Amino acid sequence: AQSVTQLDSQVPVFEEAPVELRCNYSSSVSVYLFWYVQYPNQGLQLLLKYLSGSTLVKGINGFEAEFNKSQTSFHLRKPSVHISDTAEYFCAVSEEAGGTSYGKLTFGQGTILTVHP
Amino acid sequence: DTEVTQTPKHLVMGMTNKKSLKCEQHMGHRAMYWYKQKAKKPPELMFVYSYEKLSINESVPSRFSPECPNSSLLNLHLHALQPEDSALYLCASSSRPGLNNEQFFGPGTRLTVL
Repeated sequence: AQSVTQLDSQVPVFEEAPVELRCNYSSSVSVYLFWYVQYPNQGLQLLLKYLSGSTLVKGINGFEAEFNKSQTSFHLRKPSVHISDTAEYFCAVSEEAGGTSYGKLTFGQGTILTVHP
Repeated sequence: DTEVTQTPKHLVMGMTNKKSLKCEQHMGHRAMYWYKQKAKKPPELMFVYSYEKLSINESVPSRFSPECPNSSLLNLHLHALQPEDSALYLCASSSRPGLNNEQFFGPGTRLTVL
């Protein structure tokens, strides 16, 4: 079965500083990886995804993530954050066909990013 | 149209009430999902519909009853809920069941059970 670990429950940063939100996953088969953002009292919005190909993935709002298969990681980065990036961020994994969790999206526990002026 | 809509946005119900949540998408997606999200927690999968058939039920209590009348619509019927069922209920859809599983989420229904 697949699992996702987000290593930091809360990350405070100052505006215009860089940020990295960490995500590690576990699976016995190949996976697809996603980062979603959730603003207060809203649903989830897809930031970016890794399906195959280039391990550096660029998403919306200036975010990017790098898939590292050897370290089973998919960390999210932004070189300069804005106040409006304050939200909760979820890393999620989905297994390719053959996995015991095929058809399911498994989420990490979430990281609350707070950007201070 | 690239969005998933959910109604109502907010719902308050007593433990003896019967109510329904509605979810709609017009992206031609053939997989639809119900999630429950408690405060400061990730979404927890409840049900998956695949080509209008229930394919996954994550051992959800029978007081939650899903229904998929057609490929665009997903309902969640609620009956005799408990206060601990209060949560944000999210609907999502994806193009094909299992295919990379990129899911599009609705804004959710905030449910309060008194």
